[in-house]
Amino acid sequence: AQSVTQLGSHVSVSEGALVLLRCNYSSSVPPYLFWYVQYPNQGLQLLLKYTSAATLVKGINGFEAEFKKSETSFHLTKPSAHMSDAAEYFCAVSDMGDFNKFYFGSGTKLNVKP
Amino acid sequence: IAGITQAPTSQILAAGRRMTLRCTQDMRHNAMYWYRQDLGLGLRLIHYSNTAGTTGKGEVPDGYSVSRANTDDFPLTLASAVPSQTSVYFCASSDTGSTDTQYFGPGTRLTVL
Repeated sequence: AQSVTQLGSHVSVSEGALVLLRCNYSSSVPPYLFWYVQYPNQGLQLLLKYTSAATLVKGINGFEAEFKKSETSFHLTKPSAHMSDAAEYFCAVSDMGDFNKFYFGSGTKLNVKP
Repeated sequence: IAGITQAPTSQILAAGRRMTLRCTQDMRHNAMYWYRQDLGLGLRLIHYSNTAGTTGKGEVPDGYSVSRANTDDFPLTLASAVPSQTSVYFCASSDTGSTDTQYFGPGTRLTVL
């Protein structure tokens, strides 16, 4: 089975600062990787996904992530944080061996300070 | 409606009672999923369905059952609720499988006393 590790359950940045949320995965085969965002009292929304095309993936709201196979990582970045980015972010991997099974990380709550 | 709806929004339930959480999508997606979200554990897959008429077990299926009689509906049943099933439950759907975006419902907050 796949697994996902998100380092840091809480990250705090100042408005305008770089956002870096870390995600590492374990997989015996090339995975599909996703970042989702959850705003308070809402369901999850897709930010971006990697499906074996370009390793640098651009998503919505200025976020991007880079797939690094050698590091088994898929870190999420945004050059300049905005107050509206405050939310919880989840990294997920899909298990190509078990079609349709997704494994989520435990989440990172991003706080943006004015 | 557009997207995925879930009902009820929240529920308090006595232990031992039976409960069905409802999920309906209008996107004609083939695949549907049920997750539970617990603090510090992220989302864990309970059951999934690749297409109408088929279901499969996820990471944490014990104590839950699902059915997929048609494309749109994917109810989750707790036959005899226990306090450890207190959680927020999310239904999701995707067009097909591993590479597709999952679209999530707003969630059902369930408390079992």
